[in-house]
Amino acid sequence: SQQGEEDPQALSIQEGENATMNCSYKTSINNLQWYRQNSGRGLVHLILIRSNEREKHSGRLRVTLDTSKKSSSLLITASRAADTASYFCATDAGTGNQFYFGTGTSLTVIP
Amino acid sequence: EPEVTQTPSHQVTQMGQEVILRCVPISNHLYFYWYRQILGQKVEFLVSFYNNEISEKSEIFDDQFSVERPDGSNFTLKIRSTKLEDSAMYFCAILRGGLSNEQFFGPGTRLTVL
Repeated sequence: SQQGEEDPQALSIQEGENATMNCSYKTSINNLQWYRQNSGRGLVHLILIRSNEREKHSGRLRVTLDTSKKSSSLLITASRAADTASYFCATDAGTGNQFYFGTGTSLTVIP
Repeated sequence: EPEVTQTPSHQVTQMGQEVILRCVPISNHLYFYWYRQILGQKVEFLVSFYNNEISEKSEIFDDQFSVERPDGSNFTLKIRSTKLEDSAMYFCAILRGGLSNEQFFGPGTRLTVL
């Protein structure tokens, strides 16, 4: 199975703290994407990182990719209550454009 | 401005009925995808559609499912005879294109089969 698996499954932090979520996958990839999903809502694209990239930034988000360990991390700095959501990594299988999602990390930021 | 919208936002149907879910891209895209998410579970790939043909499909996408782009704009997912286990959020996604493989998802249609 190609699916990314996130850990932890749930994370609760105080506003202002940093949140780190990890994703591991099993087979080679071309791209890995991180998404956010608020409860009962759609998926919001956060960042795409390619297999030849090691780190990428977007605002308060920092994504790293270690292809030797088949893992990625998403760091949210200076968290806000509005960051409360589920976060998913999605990996391709290296061939097509279909992406495989993990079960997600549920992040709660306490004001 | 969303790249893709979906209609309806919520569909309630009786078991055995046919449903059609619609995806409306804002711009002209070539790649389309359908995913579903059963409540509390992971997002699952159903099918990808490129240049008016299915390019890949998962084992979930059986004979009860079909996709088409009838008017060159809207992209539809049809479930011929719905089952209780088809109840889920259905997401359409488009590929941004160019050098990017970013997939942008629509807001989803919540399908409830009674």
